[in-house]
Amino acid sequence: EVQLVQSGAEVKKPGESLKISCKCSGYNFTSYWIGWVRQMPGKGLEWMGIISPGDSDTRYSPSFQGQVTISADKSISTAYLQWSSLKASDTAMYYCARRGYYVTSGYFDFWGQGTLVTVSS
Amino acid sequence: EIVLTQSPGTLSLSPGERATLSCRASQSVSSNYLAWYQQKPGQAPRLLIYGASSRATGIPDRFSGSGSGTDFTLTISRLEPEDFAVYYCQQYGSSPRTFGQGTKVEIK
Repeated sequence: EVQLVQSGAEVKKPGESLKISCKCSGYNFTSYWIGWVRQMPGKGLEWMGIISPGDSDTRYSPSFQGQVTISADKSISTAYLQWSSLKASDTAMYYCARRGYYVTSGYFDFWGQGTLVTVSS
Repeated sequence: EIVLTQSPGTLSLSPGERATLSCRASQSVSSNYLAWYQQKPGQAPRLLIYGASSRATGIPDRFSGSGSGTDFTLTISRLEPEDFAVYYCQQYGSSPRTFGQGTKVEIK
């Protein structure tokens, strides 16, 4: 059974750093890209970026380039999303999701449960 | 960047009725690489449709997708109580990938 299990909710102060995780199981981790999606409170979905765990090839949406870093550790089948200096506007639910197998399969077929990040002074 | 505009913002219908949701792209979506997702309150999104018209594994056949180029439609033939949710389209034909703003299907 494919599962993406995300780390728990976080409460941070502006300027702090943070790294959240997405533990994947039930399939060959290095064969599927993993993406991250933001959902701000009461709002829609935003595509942030995606990583190929096999070679760490990473692509970012221009809106998120330079704002976050996506990484992966294939030895433990885990993808990460990190911030070096959080802002209040980073408050949101963050989802990891598995991209379809083929290069042309840019949709997300399995999703994590989400990690709520709250940034407040 | 391709902007996806979904309409209507909210659709108020009764169980058993037909729901028709629209997703319009600001430019043509390459190879009809368009997906639809369902999101219920407090849950992660769920893939319904990919490639504009292919149902994902386990999705009931009351859900169907159609369209090409810039105009796409998600149809729910007969609404079940569990179908009341927010629906998003996403294009993956161009970078950056983008989502529509969502259509809420609510009980009338």
